[in-house]
Amino acid sequence: EAGVTQFPSHSVIEKGQTVTLRCDPISGHDNLYWYRRVMGKEIKFLLHFVKESKQDESGMPNNRFLAERTGGTYSTLKVQPAELEDSGVYFCASSLRDARDTQYFGPGTRLTVL
Amino acid sequence: AQRVTQPEKLLSVFKGAPVELKCNYSYSGSPELFWYVQYSRQRLQLLLRHISRESIKGFTADLNKGETSFHLKKPFAQEEDSAMYYCALSDSAGNKLTFGGGTRVLVKP
Repeated sequence: EAGVTQFPSHSVIEKGQTVTLRCDPISGHDNLYWYRRVMGKEIKFLLHFVKESKQDESGMPNNRFLAERTGGTYSTLKVQPAELEDSGVYFCASSLRDARDTQYFGPGTRLTVL
Repeated sequence: AQRVTQPEKLLSVFKGAPVELKCNYSYSGSPELFWYVQYSRQRLQLLLRHISRESIKGFTADLNKGETSFHLKKPFAQEEDSAMYYCALSDSAGNKLTFGGGTRVLVKP
């Protein structure tokens, strides 16, 4: 069974540019989560999809971040325009039930904003 | 608001010695607690959860609601236990995990 995949694995962009991260969850997992770890800080929740609906987006830092999950399959997280403080590792996870169930994590996308 | 605290950033022990990773939480409701682990060059994965009351790879963790703690223990550490360990909490709504800052465990030969 394929695990959660994320693309790209690394991205280096300049401040002000746009970046789109992609996450493919485990097939059949309706629940999809985005987290990020900024250097030196803990892993923080960004948002939670159930199928194509945003169940909780309380962790999204500001309106420069836009997450979508059209069709309830893969998800994208777009940062536009990117700022220096957006640098970090962005993780995607999926689960069969909600967050009380085991979450399966992707390898993460390391984003560096110069 | 929920919060998870792991007071130790680094724990260094010798092989065969006991290891205990501390985790304290604050949450007004009934939480579900987890330990996730990230080995070198691998992705974050579930180690154990309090509700299943299992021992995984020799690790156990007991939820103490009175002390709001969920410490992770192993009586005899092995070199392959070297990794980053995260304590996490899910609230009753099940929307997200709240993570502690992580504890790096280094098991020396």
